[in-house]
Amino acid sequence: AQTVTQSQPEMSVQEAETVTLSCTYDTSESDYYLFWYKQPPSRQMILVIRQEAYKQQNATENRFSVNFQKAAKSFSLKISDSQLGDAAMYFCASKPNAGGTSYGKLTFGQGTILTVHP
Amino acid sequence: EPEVTQTPSHQVTQMGQEVILRCVPISNHLYFYWYRQILGQKVEFLVSFYNNEISEKSEIFDDQFSVERPDGSNFTLKIRSTKLEDSAMYFCASSGVRDGYTFGSGTRLTVV
Repeated sequence: AQTVTQSQPEMSVQEAETVTLSCTYDTSESDYYLFWYKQPPSRQMILVIRQEAYKQQNATENRFSVNFQKAAKSFSLKISDSQLGDAAMYFCASKPNAGGTSYGKLTFGQGTILTVHP
Repeated sequence: EPEVTQTPSHQVTQMGQEVILRCVPISNHLYFYWYRQILGQKVEFLVSFYNNEISEKSEIFDDQFSVERPDGSNFTLKIRSTKLEDSAMYFCASSGVRDGYTFGSGTRLTVV
C-alpha cells in the first residue's frame, strides 16, 4: 500500500522568487515512481516532473526540480523564478514500478494550493 | 500532441438516474483508468482496465459503477443510480507500454 502526504495546504510566493512544496510518502514497494502534477483552475491534471526511485539523481525540468530523499521518504518540488502561470494546485503522487512508468495506480497527496503574487 | 478526450465536460443529473461518462484514450495506449476528485479534495483512484477487463479497483468502485470499452476507441464509466455524494470531477487517463499517464480534462458531474 502507498500513502502520500502533503502537509502544506497553501503556499505563496512572489513572482521571480523560489518556492518549495513538500511531500512525504510511504510505500511497501521496493521500486516506485514519484510525480508532481499541476492542476490549474481548468482542473486538468498536468505532469510537471517525474522521479524514478532507483535513480539517485534528482529530476529537473526547466524551472522545476525535485529534492528526493529516499531514506527519509521525502520528495519536495522546487519552483525557481516563479511565474504567474505557476499558480495552481500541486499534487504529489506515487506509483509502484510493477509495470514500469506506464502501468499502475497513482496514489495522490491532498494537494498544495500555490499562489503567485506579482 | 495526442490527447485523452472526455465528454461531456459538465453533466447535471438527478439523484437515482444513470449516467455514462465517456472517454477516448490515446489510440495506441493499452491501460485505462478512472479517477475521481471531490471538490477541494484529493484525486482518488477508481479503477484500472487492461485487456478488456478490470485489473484493479478501489473500495469506492462498488456495484453502482461499471466500466466498458465498447469499441476500439471509447472507454466509459457508468454509474447506475447516482447519489449526491457522487458529485465530483471524474478524470479518465490512459498509458502505453512506453508512455506515462495522460489525463483527460475531466467531466464535472453534479448530482441534484
